[in-house]
Amino acid sequence: IQMTQSPSSVSASVGDRVTITCRASQGISTWLAWYQQKPGKAPKLLIYAASTLQSGAPSRFSGSGSGTDFTLTISSLQPEDFATYYCQQANSFPRTFGQGTKVEI
Amino acid sequence: EEQLLESGGGLVQPGGSLRLSCAASGFTFSTYAMSWVRQAPGKGLEWVSTISGSGTSTYYADSVKGRFTISRDNSKNTLYLQMNSLRADDTAVYYCAKDRSGYFVNWGQGTLVTVSS
Repeated sequence: IQMTQSPSSVSASVGDRVTITCRASQGISTWLAWYQQKPGKAPKLLIYAASTLQSGAPSRFSGSGSGTDFTLTISSLQPEDFATYYCQQANSFPRTFGQGTKVEI
Repeated sequence: EEQLLESGGGLVQPGGSLRLSCAASGFTFSTYAMSWVRQAPGKGLEWVSTISGSGTSTYYADSVKGRFTISRDNSKNTLYLQMNSLRADDTAVYYCAKDRSGYFVNWGQGTLVTVSS
């Protein structure tokens, strides 16, 4: 299953609302996760099952979608949110990731 | 606190072998599947392999099938990745991850594998 994210990068300011989309090449129900990765660090799970916030993740992050189209929204961008975000399908093997979306200042 | 600590990375020549280890602590290791995910320099994330909690089921990316072997020792709370016939395109940071229903809920800090002559 191929995962396609858009955009590949987005420029935004602190306080902005940011939306990242992820499209699966076939239906995956809600078997989708979102990760945040900062330079030189391991990724962190933000959202799983398309819309469930992982324990410890800030509530300004939210996810939606099912089937083939999914969205990650950051309601009010904070300085610590500048990072690269990846979607990943957990519907079947091989597990696959999107190519990433870099959120820049 | 849950912790995953990878080791075993380094520089290896093309065609060589390397074994990565991932020491887990802070959770009941045997009840979780575990996975390896890699990231080539400047590139995105690529799933490599998953093993069930009991170790009886294993899954591999096509890019490593037949060359890499995932295993675990639940008595030692340790995950392994045996990598043989290494190629330049295997150069990456390798992360181990606690796997809950296909979601990578916790990650180690990563270990760098460089394949070069």
